[in-house]
Amino acid sequence: RKEVEQDPGPFNVPEGATVAFNCTYSNSASQSFFWYRQDCRKEPKLLMSVYSSGNEDGRFTAQLNRASQYISLLIRDSKLSDSATYLCVVNQGTGFQKLVFGTGTRLLVSP
Amino acid sequence: NAGVTQTPKFRVLKTGQSMTLLCAQDMNHEYMYWYRQDPGMGLRLIHYSVGEGTTAKGEVPDGYNVSRLKKQNFLLGLESAAPSQTSVYFCASSLGQLYTDTQYFGPGTRLTVL
Repeated sequence: RKEVEQDPGPFNVPEGATVAFNCTYSNSASQSFFWYRQDCRKEPKLLMSVYSSGNEDGRFTAQLNRASQYISLLIRDSKLSDSATYLCVVNQGTGFQKLVFGTGTRLLVSP
Repeated sequence: NAGVTQTPKFRVLKTGQSMTLLCAQDMNHEYMYWYRQDPGMGLRLIHYSVGEGTTAKGEVPDGYNVSRLKKQNFLLGLESAAPSQTSVYFCASSLGQLYTDTQYFGPGTRLTVL
C-alpha cells in the first residue's frame, strides 16, 4: 500500500466548475500536511498547508480528517490557469521535515 | 533573489559515467534536499542536509553521494551512472522549521542514462 494515495485523474472540468480532490495517508503519526501544485515539466510549489480545522485561501479550501487519515482539496470557480497536477504531501518527520509525496491528481480545466 | 537554481538542466550519460548535479540557494536556508521524480511515483527523497557540513540518507540513497561544503550549495554525485537513475532530479531548500516549513524547489535536472 502506498503511504500517500491519490486518484491520478485526469479530472476534466469546464471553467467555473467546482472540483474536489481526495487523498489518504497510511501513517497515523504524520505531523503536518500540504498540497503542492506542479505544472507540466516544472517544479512543485506549495499551494497551501492543511490544518485540522480546515483552511481556505481564496478559491481553494483544504480539509484534514485525522481519524480517517484523509485530506481533501476543493477548488471553486475553476480557471484555465488551475490546470496542473496537485500533489498531496504528508510530513512524517520527527527530527526534520520528511515529506512523503503522493503521485498527484491531474486537473484539466477547459474553456 | 534567484531562489533555488540547479545545474545542469539536462544531461545524457552513458552507463558507468559519473557526474555532479549542483544545487544553489540564496535564501540562507539551513535545510537542503535532493529528490528524484519518476513516472507513476511520487517524489522520493535521496539525501538531505540539515546544515553546512552535514548530510544524511533519505529513502533512496543507493548509487548517490552528496556534499554540503557551503551553506548555499548542495551537490549530488553519481559515481557510476545506471539506466535506473534516469529521472528528473529536484533540489529543495527550507528554513528548518519542522512542522510549518515550506520547501522551495529548483527547476529540476532531467537526466537520461543510456
